[in-house]
Amino acid sequence: SQKIEQNSEALNIQEGKTATLTCNYTNYSPAYLQWYRQDPGRGPVFLLLIRENEKEKRKERLKVTFDTTLKQSLFHITASQPADSATYLCALSAGGTSYGKLTFGQGTILTVHP
Amino acid sequence: GAGVSQTPSNKVTEKGKYVELRCDPISGHTALYWYRQSLGQGPEFLIYFQGTGAADDSGLPNDRFFAVRPEGSVSTLKIQRTERGDSAVYLCASSLQHYTAGELFFGEGSRLTVL
Repeated sequence: SQKIEQNSEALNIQEGKTATLTCNYTNYSPAYLQWYRQDPGRGPVFLLLIRENEKEKRKERLKVTFDTTLKQSLFHITASQPADSATYLCALSAGGTSYGKLTFGQGTILTVHP
Repeated sequence: GAGVSQTPSNKVTEKGKYVELRCDPISGHTALYWYRQSLGQGPEFLIYFQGTGAADDSGLPNDRFFAVRPEGSVSTLKIQRTERGDSAVYLCASSLQHYTAGELFFGEGSRLTVL
């Protein structure tokens, strides 16, 4: 069966460092992958989308890589700030007629300490 | 409003009761999705609508769950004979359309607690 695993349940880092979050998947051929941020008691908020034929995407302090051979995505936050503390979710879609039907990982709780 | 609106934000009910959860998507978004999120887990897909019809309801756990979107805008998720295992946050999301890659805009969710 399809499985998506975000390798860390929780990640603690010091302010100013780079946070790296991992998303691995098996038995899946995604057309694209998204990363969302979720704060406690709130709905997920979209951050970045990367397609299967793209290797890397950047947006301000965020960077996403997508390796379909390794079946892995890495999500980086550079120059991290305490305000970046949240749960980060990766989500995959098979595309075709199902772009919005996302399969989510369980999330990684990031805490950035001042 | 500018975002996806969900009501109620919290619902406490007793086992066996009927519950309705409402979602008002972003104006102009034709695709609407329901997801369910349990504590410590990512959201799980339930159903999506493209316009008025349910295009994919493969995520609904059983026939106690049903959703409608009669006029292609507001949607209602209906749960009959609620069970304690139905307790979760029910998230609604919308997007411009379902057939191209794009972000989903989520509401804040309806937290359902079945006692």
